[in-house]
Amino acid sequence: DTGVSQNPRHKITKRGQNVTFRCDPISEHNRLYWYRQTLGQGPEFLTYFQNEAQLEKSRLLSDRFSAERPKGSFSTLEIQRTEQGDSAMYLCASSRTGADTQYFGPGTRLTVL
Amino acid sequence: DQQVKQNSPSLSVQEGRISILNCDYTNSMFDYFLWYKKYPAEGPTFLISISSIKDKNEDGRFTVFLNKSAKHLSLHIVPSQPGDSAVYFCAASDRSGAGNMLTFGGGTRLMVKP
Repeated sequence: DTGVSQNPRHKITKRGQNVTFRCDPISEHNRLYWYRQTLGQGPEFLTYFQNEAQLEKSRLLSDRFSAERPKGSFSTLEIQRTEQGDSAMYLCASSRTGADTQYFGPGTRLTVL
Repeated sequence: DQQVKQNSPSLSVQEGRISILNCDYTNSMFDYFLWYKKYPAEGPTFLISISSIKDKNEDGRFTVFLNKSAKHLSLHIVPSQPGDSAVYFCAASDRSGAGNMLTFGGGTRLMVKP
């Protein structure tokens, strides 16, 4: 069990650029979640996948955000036309279906200049 | 509206003493509660959880208490150690809903002084 991994760990970009983050969940976990954490706040739910199906999206996920999990394994989160308000830590978590505990990766810290 | 609140942004405790972190929730549909610990530049690490059918769960130095009528839970750490210094988040989920997404509180920074 190698844990949840996320890449890159840090990303600095200019406003208006597109960015993509990757999450590799724990191998036998078929649920994958994305959360966003801003300074001084707790993580906020963005979206989740059951295998390759995206089953729930938060209203925080504007149309500039898109997430995929094409083969039910790793997932990508893309932000188009980044804005300074997108600066945050983007966290990925995974769990087995029916399990109540989610295990988090180290996060990707995005800074939009 | 914040459905999960941690009203103390920080807590300072002497090594060896008890640390008590508190959490309140408003959504009566929440039926599973978790505590996570977070160090800077790392993701949250799962500590301990409790189902709404229980009022206490213990794991080593960590005990979580749930008071459903008050919609309140607390995490007790005994004895506290300097390595426990971190930000602690409580989280809740409604297992009857799809996906079990977690709703987090704002966190409490615990500092354990040697």
